Amino acid sequence: DTGVSQDPRHKITKRGQNVTFRCDPISEHNRLYWYRQTLGQGPEFLTYFQNEAQLEKSRLLSDRFSAERPKGSFSTLEIQRTEQGDSAMYLCASRLSGNSGNTIYFGEGSWLTVV
Amino acid sequence: GQQVMQIPQYQHVQEGEDFTTYCNSSTTLSNIQWYKQRPGGHPVFLIQLVKSGEVKKQKRLTFQFGEAKKNSSLHITATQTTDVGTYFCAGDTGGFKTIFGAGTRLFVKA
Repeated sequence: DTGVSQDPRHKITKRGQNVTFRCDPISEHNRLYWYRQTLGQGPEFLTYFQNEAQLEKSRLLSDRFSAERPKGSFSTLEIQRTEQGDSAMYLCASRLSGNSGNTIYFGEGSWLTVV
Repeated sequence: GQQVMQIPQYQHVQEGEDFTTYCNSSTTLSNIQWYKQRPGGHPVFLIQLVKSGEVKKQKRLTFQFGEAKKNSSLHITATQTTDVGTYFCAGDTGGFKTIFGAGTRLFVKA
């Protein structure tokens, strides 16, 4: 149990629908990351937050994707007008800020299937 | 942009044989991390190396960080069936953005 919680764990949605994933990081961790992983690939960086500030956003994140961390605690990742290519596992991770030696802890992921 | 390349993509070994995976970055990294992911699971942190030329061991696993802080390796001695999974390296670029390699999937035949 890494302490990072993601919900839902699995989501099947029809193309064109909106979906939202939630991540609750380890409580004292102020850095929060979102990654996307497809079969046979490594996690692809999407975005990360320092507290409530979104510090970087990947070019992979189209206008249909938005992430928020309104109070610097939990975060949401919303995908609008889903497409079949969005099918993947969406991983959340958290980390203490400070030096670069702090470990990243992953949640168990949210599997998205777009049909 | 920043890239982390990992080879081989997959490897089949007989139980008891050794295994090595290599990681190369296009730019200097502030650290290198290694993760293991079992099928259907999520990446689990194994170790982090920070210093140039650093070597760390965890039982049968040996991790190295290159002198230029651009490459790394993970070596497993005498593999066991419990070593099965995908091993990822990941490195921090400036600003704490962590980039992952594509992973090496290890298959161990008993």
